[in-house]
Amino acid sequence: DGGITQSPKYLFRKEGQNVTLSCEQNLNHDAMYWYRQDPGQGLRLIYYSQIVNDFQKGDIAEGYSVSREKKESFPLTVTSAQKNPTAFYLCASSIQREIAYEQYFGPGTRLTVT
Amino acid sequence: GENVEQHPSTLSVQEGDSAVIKCTYSDSASNYFPWYKQELGKRPQLIIDIRSNVGEKKDQRIAVTLNKTAKHFSLHITETQPEDSAVYFCAASIRGVYSGGGADGLTFGKGTHLIIQP
Repeated sequence: DGGITQSPKYLFRKEGQNVTLSCEQNLNHDAMYWYRQDPGQGLRLIYYSQIVNDFQKGDIAEGYSVSREKKESFPLTVTSAQKNPTAFYLCASSIQREIAYEQYFGPGTRLTVT
Repeated sequence: GENVEQHPSTLSVQEGDSAVIKCTYSDSASNYFPWYKQELGKRPQLIIDIRSNVGEKKDQRIAVTLNKTAKHFSLHITETQPEDSAVYFCAASIRGVYSGGGADGLTFGKGTHLIIQP
């Protein structure tokens, strides 16, 4: 299960606090992604990054922020502006070519905000 | 943006029978269609994918078909086994069309809970 890791597995926070989720990969992939999964729902794209120091908003970026200072790392911050932050967060990575390739997912972080 | 619809939401089949899951997409520019399997509490894992220049692809008991004209694609699992029980997601990507060849994210369907009855 190596390659792409996320920590922690479970995270609990009080409402109003910012929290940062970690995502690291050693696959030498250029592209990285953050998705959110809610019960009974598919995955929804939050942010993605094609290259270091560059990232793009996905479908549900409001209330989230990211950085991409290193190729291996793509941390996600869930801010207090995110109205419903409790969810399962999945990070993914893929190689960067002219055509699409498989996205490899990390094990996920389950965030609970009360 | 892209919209992916997936049916059915739950599918129960007898062990040994075939299972078919169907997806439709809205953007004719979509060119990559992966299928992921997710077991409870685990990460999604790719089981098969197809590109828009191919109509069908098979890998042992799993096959995917793509109809670009109708904008739908389907997953076929034959000779189902208990370990096939999981949630299956279809997805679509418009990779490279709007971002100069860059890596775009995937748009997922809401998933199908496949139950294999012994």
